[in-house]
Amino acid sequence: GAVVSQHPSWVICKSGTSVKIECRSLDFQATTMFWYRQFPKQSLMLMATSNEGSKATYEQGVEKDKFLINHASLTLSTLTVTSAHPEDSSFYICSAPSPGQGTDTQYFGPGTRLTVL
Amino acid sequence: QQQVKQSPQSLIVQKGGISIINCAYENTAFDYFPWYQQFPGKGPALLIAIRPDVSEKKEGRFTISFNKSAKQFSLHIMDSQPGDSATYFCAAIIKAAGNKLTFGGGTRVLVKP
Repeated sequence: GAVVSQHPSWVICKSGTSVKIECRSLDFQATTMFWYRQFPKQSLMLMATSNEGSKATYEQGVEKDKFLINHASLTLSTLTVTSAHPEDSSFYICSAPSPGQGTDTQYFGPGTRLTVL
Repeated sequence: QQQVKQSPQSLIVQKGGISIINCAYENTAFDYFPWYQQFPGKGPALLIAIRPDVSEKKEGRFTISFNKSAKQFSLHIMDSQPGDSATYFCAAIIKAAGNKLTFGGGTRVLVKP
């Protein structure tokens, strides 16, 4: 199946700093990618839809000025958590629709564990 | 509002037994129903999926049963193995609405040897 990678796999930062997370589709192009966050023992919550060449679409309740999304190419989307605080500590996961099979399924990255001290 | 309700929250099954996870939805616009398996610290991986015009789909030890009239679907894991211990998520998609996944709450499955 298609491969989606994320970098870094984990990051620890100080409160007030910004952190950038990359999501790459390794062997296919993705005009759309999705960003989720997952708290321990909870389900995935969609944060935003990243659209190549245009602005991201944010879900209700997600601060777009805090979670900056840039989809600069057909294989790369980035999520920047600005002025991070301990409550932003979470597992961030991206996904991209599968290529060549319509868009019925999505492939997920391995996730990025963010810890804000 | 939780659009996809999943039960049970956790499940313990003996090796060789059958794990059954149930999901229910309200929105009849959903038109694709995937199941994902997630191991700790990893992203979800697609396990099996079904369209609402199909009542059952089987792939190896995994079977989805779909009841459109009841708006319910379930995952059966036959001959459960310790390696199946993971969290399982059902999900639903409205393909015309950008294919955004709506996830159920998840079921933590533990298969005891």
